[in-house]
Amino acid sequence: DAGITQSPRHKVTETGTPVTLRCHQTENHRYMYWYRQDPGHGLRLIHYSYGVKDTDKGEVSDGYSVSRSKTEDFLLTLESATSSQTSVYFCAISESRVNNQPQHFGDGTRLSIL
Amino acid sequence: GESVGLHLPTLSVQEGDNSIINCAYSNSASDYFIWYKQESGKGPQFIIDIRSNMDKRQGQRVTVLLNKTVKHLSLQIAATQPGDSAVYFCAVLDQTGANNLFFGTGTRLTVIP
Repeated sequence: DAGITQSPRHKVTETGTPVTLRCHQTENHRYMYWYRQDPGHGLRLIHYSYGVKDTDKGEVSDGYSVSRSKTEDFLLTLESATSSQTSVYFCAISESRVNNQPQHFGDGTRLSIL
Repeated sequence: GESVGLHLPTLSVQEGDNSIINCAYSNSASDYFIWYKQESGKGPQFIIDIRSNMDKRQGQRVTVLLNKTVKHLSLQIAATQPGDSAVYFCAVLDQTGANNLFFGTGTRLTVIP
């Protein structure tokens, strides 16, 4: 398995609270990604990072922010969680975005917003 | 942009038989394709990839076929085993925009012993 650790693995919280999910990699890959996975949908990109302090929006970025202060860590923050953000969140890493390299995934964080 | 769909949400096969899982994509400019396997409670696991300059690629017990004319790819698993039971989905790289991967919704493969 690629060296990707997501924490926490499970979290239950209430609407309106802030939530931060962490992704840690030991592969020294430049690119890191946050996806959400919901029934009836393929994985959807929230945000990605192409280097320290360099991030960009994905397909479903509203209500989410990210930060990358170190190569190995990529944080996803829900500023004020809503029930529609209940989902399974996956972090992924890749060496490249343009040279046809696959993304490798962590084992996910299951987040429930009550 | 890109949209990706799989043809069957579920597939059941007898142990030892071959499995074929299909995927269709919409953007003829897409040129990189990946198959992932996802077991319950786990993240997607890379199986095999193929670039558009190829129409077939083989791995260990798996073969991916790419038909760019009809924008279709398939994953063939030979001699399916119980450990192959999982959700399989394809991902397609959209290089017309932000080089994002677009994922299908997946086919759940169940292997019957």
